[in-house]
Amino acid sequence: DQQVKQNSPSLSVQEGRISILNCDYTNSMFDYFLWYKKYPAEGPTFLISISSIKDKNEDGRFTVFLNKSAKHLSLHIVPSQPGDSAVYFCALKYAGNNRKLIWGLGTSLAVNP
Amino acid sequence: DAGVIQSPRHEVTEMGQEVTLRCKPISGHDYLFWYRQTMMRGLELLIYFNNNVPIDDSGMPEDRFSAKMPNASFSTLKIQPSEPRDSAVYFCASSLSSEITGELFFGEGSRLTVL
Repeated sequence: DQQVKQNSPSLSVQEGRISILNCDYTNSMFDYFLWYKKYPAEGPTFLISISSIKDKNEDGRFTVFLNKSAKHLSLHIVPSQPGDSAVYFCALKYAGNNRKLIWGLGTSLAVNP
Repeated sequence: DAGVIQSPRHEVTEMGQEVTLRCKPISGHDYLFWYRQTMMRGLELLIYFNNNVPIDDSGMPEDRFSAKMPNASFSTLKIQPSEPRDSAVYFCASSLSSEITGELFFGEGSRLTVL
């Protein structure tokens, strides 16, 4: 019973275009929503996060959107660059003192030159 | 600044052997997490510590797995006896209690292969 789903295992986009990665969840008890990027043979690295009280957070080329009514989270990368090719995970944190993150299975993004 | 340091990076062992994975968190971080990554189940939290005390070990698969944190700068994850289904990448991560978003800093992982 997966609480967090990333329904697209892979995505391929052209350099310079927009990449949109999606994440759906079933539980309303999360207070922070995070995106991590992972290169092969490395650990995940934090990319961007959003609080449950916001609907958008932007950091350079990366923007995260949160639609609480639809229980949907998305990451937009624009413009996409070949160096963005990696696996992207959404991770959701339970509200309160609980430090447990619930992770999606990841989406592998390939940005083609 | 040094990140989270894990050892060994790769371990190949035979079924039934004891495996010990090691982790040094970022200095000053008071939370430490052990994760396991497999193709089928993705990233699973095994256990996490706060100030060296285990807080949630509900993700530890069974009694063959144990984790300790004897001090703020060192933790171990032990599997005894190991089985082929334990083959996975094991990640250690650390964080600060003041970081309310739950952001974690991961090590590079220990890839375990049990034959």
